[in-house]
Amino acid sequence: AQTVTQSQPEMSVQEAETVTLSCTYDTSESDYYLFWYKQPPSRQMILVIRQEAYKQQNATENRFSVNFQKAAKSFSLKISDSQLGDAAMYFCAYTGANSKLTFGKGITLSVRP
Amino acid sequence: GAVVSQHPSWVICKSGTSVKIECRSLDFQATTMFWYRQFPKQSLMLMATSNEGSKATYEQGVEKDKFLINHASLTLSTLTVTSAHPEDSSFYICSAQVGSWGYEQYFGPGTRLTVT
Repeated sequence: AQTVTQSQPEMSVQEAETVTLSCTYDTSESDYYLFWYKQPPSRQMILVIRQEAYKQQNATENRFSVNFQKAAKSFSLKISDSQLGDAAMYFCAYTGANSKLTFGKGITLSVRP
Repeated sequence: GAVVSQHPSWVICKSGTSVKIECRSLDFQATTMFWYRQFPKQSLMLMATSNEGSKATYEQGVEKDKFLINHASLTLSTLTVTSAHPEDSSFYICSAQVGSWGYEQYFGPGTRLTVT
């Protein structure tokens, strides 16, 4: 079975600074996708970024980028120029052949003005 | 973009009654939808996979008779919590999948269920 681990329950970052959220996963599949989702206080799940395992190039979406280390099964999210609106819970997630999403426990990110 | 709605957004019911939550894909067809449960400050727990025209597949530990799922059309899946009890109070979220692979799923806004 696939597992996703987010070991840090909380992090804090100063506005305009950069923060990195960590995630590791375990799988025996060769083809899969990894995601970072943001859940603000409204609780609407918002897709931040998606990475296909076969793509060596790290995905980027504006201020958000990932460091995908396939051999190490690591998938961290870097948020640059942090903004107050980035404060939320962030979930790392995995999906493979069965299409089910497996989520990590999540990390609560706070942004200090 | 793909939009998924849920109705109601918040429901309060009395213990012993049943409540139905609807999940709709508004601008695309979804052969597969998923239902999750989330407790405060915790992760999403997959309850079941809903496939149009067939029985839902429940995750281990989820009571099929308590959480009835019906995927009546390519745009609608419903979750009925039967004989609700206070411990069923939670946040329920659905997602709808585009195509046959799980890499493109869109989430509904969630439904807060409070059982008194």
